[in-house]
Amino acid sequence: DQQVKQNSPSLSVQEGRISILNCDYTNSMFDYFLWYKKYPAEGPTFLISISSIKDKNEDGRFTVFLNKSAKHLSLHIVPSQPGDSAVYFCAASRRGQNFVFGPGTRLSVLP
Amino acid sequence: DTEVTQTPKHLVMGMTNKKSLKCEQHMGHRAMYWYKQKAKKPPELMFVYSYEKLSINESVPSRFSPECPNSSLLNLHLHALQPEDSALYLCASSQDGSGQGVGYTFGSGTRLTVV
Repeated sequence: DQQVKQNSPSLSVQEGRISILNCDYTNSMFDYFLWYKKYPAEGPTFLISISSIKDKNEDGRFTVFLNKSAKHLSLHIVPSQPGDSAVYFCAASRRGQNFVFGPGTRLSVLP
Repeated sequence: DTEVTQTPKHLVMGMTNKKSLKCEQHMGHRAMYWYKQKAKKPPELMFVYSYEKLSINESVPSRFSPECPNSSLLNLHLHALQPEDSALYLCASSQDGSGQGVGYTFGSGTRLTVV
């Protein structure tokens, strides 16, 4: 049973538009969430985090929204750039330990 | 220095070999992690060291043996691996094990092939 789901395996967006990547989780004990970005042949790099005490966290072009009642979080990238093309993983944890990863969404930003 | 350095970048080993993967960081992070990533899959946590003590072992087979000689170094000793152990092995660190408010820094990984 997947505890963290990213139901869109891939997403294509035009440069300059908004990219929205979604993530759902099943374990209500999860209270800390991360988004990773991974380029081919590289390790995943941390992108942005959100704790359950917040419903939004913003860092430049990246904003993560958390809806605890729906057990849903999303990553918004505005404006999208070709360099944002990568695989994005959502990860969830309880108290920052033992992260459970989603399967990833491949984002392609088209020029 | 804001990097996690992993060596070697590539490793090919036979099933009877003994080898070690190394990971180093000088950011003062007190939690270090080993992940395994198969192609087209997200990284899976293997081990967590917090303040140089093993805090999490995700039911990893004993042919993988982690070691944390000091707060800056993390090793993964490999012995009698199987071809299905071929993967990208990633090391990561964070300020402490809670991870709250602090991002994880990942190394670029060691691409391991078991023949």
